[in-house]
Amino acid sequence: KNEVEQSPQNLTAQEGEFITINCSYSVGISALHWLQQHPGGGIVSLFMLSSGKKKHGRLIATINIQEKHSSLHITASHPRDSAVYICAVRPPKVEGADGLTFGKGTHLIIQP
Amino acid sequence: DTGVSQNPRHKITKRGQNVTFRCDPISEHNRLYWYRQTLGQGPEFLTYFQNEAQLEKSRLLSDRFSAERPKGSFSTLEIQRTEQGDSAMYLCASSLSSGVKTQYFGPGTRLLVL
Repeated sequence: KNEVEQSPQNLTAQEGEFITINCSYSVGISALHWLQQHPGGGIVSLFMLSSGKKKHGRLIATINIQEKHSSLHITASHPRDSAVYICAVRPPKVEGADGLTFGKGTHLIIQP
Repeated sequence: DTGVSQNPRHKITKRGQNVTFRCDPISEHNRLYWYRQTLGQGPEFLTYFQNEAQLEKSRLLSDRFSAERPKGSFSTLEIQRTEQGDSAMYLCASSLSSGVKTQYFGPGTRLLVL
């Protein structure tokens, strides 16, 4: 079973700061997801990546497959970025196995 | 299409009662997943379907839990003889099985067992 660790667990920062959230996992994967969850439960998929780097607006996600590590960066952070950010990994491409394994999440608060 | 929908959004029940939740995936998605999330934790995988076939079940899915997707469209998750430890958010997601396999999540059903 893959062990997914995120750091930090909690992060409070000032508006405008550059934010980095880290994710490491223990076993090889086929893809990694970064998800955003707001109070009340709704989960939004931010990125799915299996190599390299992806950028969407102020969000950047990177992954290093050899080191089993991924980072999510937020540039020019804003209070509306306040949410729980969750890393989830997809198992290798094996017949019938497709359930994601999730980290516990990073609770981010951006203060104005 | 309005995305993944789940009903009910909230359910309060007494210990020992049976409950059933429904998930309607994005219409063209042939994969449907069920997850459970307890307070302060990340979601945990329960089971998933490709079309009507249930392809994987977690050890978390005890014999009190059963999921179906009879026509390959909506799915139901039933919990029999509920226990207080079943209190959680039950999340459904759907995706394609080929190409871009991003999972799209529903709003969840929050269950409270008294």
